[in-house]
Amino acid sequence: GEDVEQSLFLSVREGDSSVINCTYTDSSSTYLYWYKQEPGAGLQLLTYIFSNMDMKQDQRLTVLLNKKDKHLSLRIADTQTGDSAIYFCAESPAGSGAGSYQLTFGKGTKLSVIP
Amino acid sequence: DVKVTQSSRYLVKRTGEKVFLECVQDMDHENMFWYRQDPGLGLRLIYFSYDVKMKEKGDIPEGYSVSREKKERFSLILESASTNQTSMYLCAAGRGVHEQYFGPGTRLTVT
Repeated sequence: GEDVEQSLFLSVREGDSSVINCTYTDSSSTYLYWYKQEPGAGLQLLTYIFSNMDMKQDQRLTVLLNKKDKHLSLRIADTQTGDSAIYFCAESPAGSGAGSYQLTFGKGTKLSVIP
Repeated sequence: DVKVTQSSRYLVKRTGEKVFLECVQDMDHENMFWYRQDPGLGLRLIYFSYDVKMKEKGDIPEGYSVSREKKERFSLILESASTNQTSMYLCAAGRGVHEQYFGPGTRLTVT
């Protein structure tokens, strides 16, 4: 089955860029997602990318996809203390049917921003 | 924005009790999901539903059942709670796979 791997912890200084990495195993066409979970809260969808794209930018967030290596990254520019959270990478298969609704999540990367 | 609410933020139950976790969404979305979140394991899908009275097993359905009698409400049922079901339970709703909006979670402790 599909598997999504990411490192568990990342620590950066305020104002620096953060890069959170993720690898996945599903070789078929797929959507890939980044979610953010703040303490005591549910998950919030930050952005997603389809596997025929290699980059997507949205304000301070840049998503890079290396389809050949099945590697996804999330770059946060000018990281702020409010960015401290757990970031989850997730994937789902493309296509229709009930199976395409399922997301496979990584274990999450806890980002700590040092003031 | 879609609002997803869960009936309790914290719940403590005894082993063997029947437990109901309720989830309500306010945007008429077809799809609803129940996950559990455990440290070091991330999120794992228990069940999902893509229509009223329809349900599909996720990755870890054992020990759980679900009910979706109305479009806005998706209930997770633990028929006989056990200590290994102590976890954070997250409900989500969405129109499609790109739109999974999550509730705040219910932290269940089974003693």
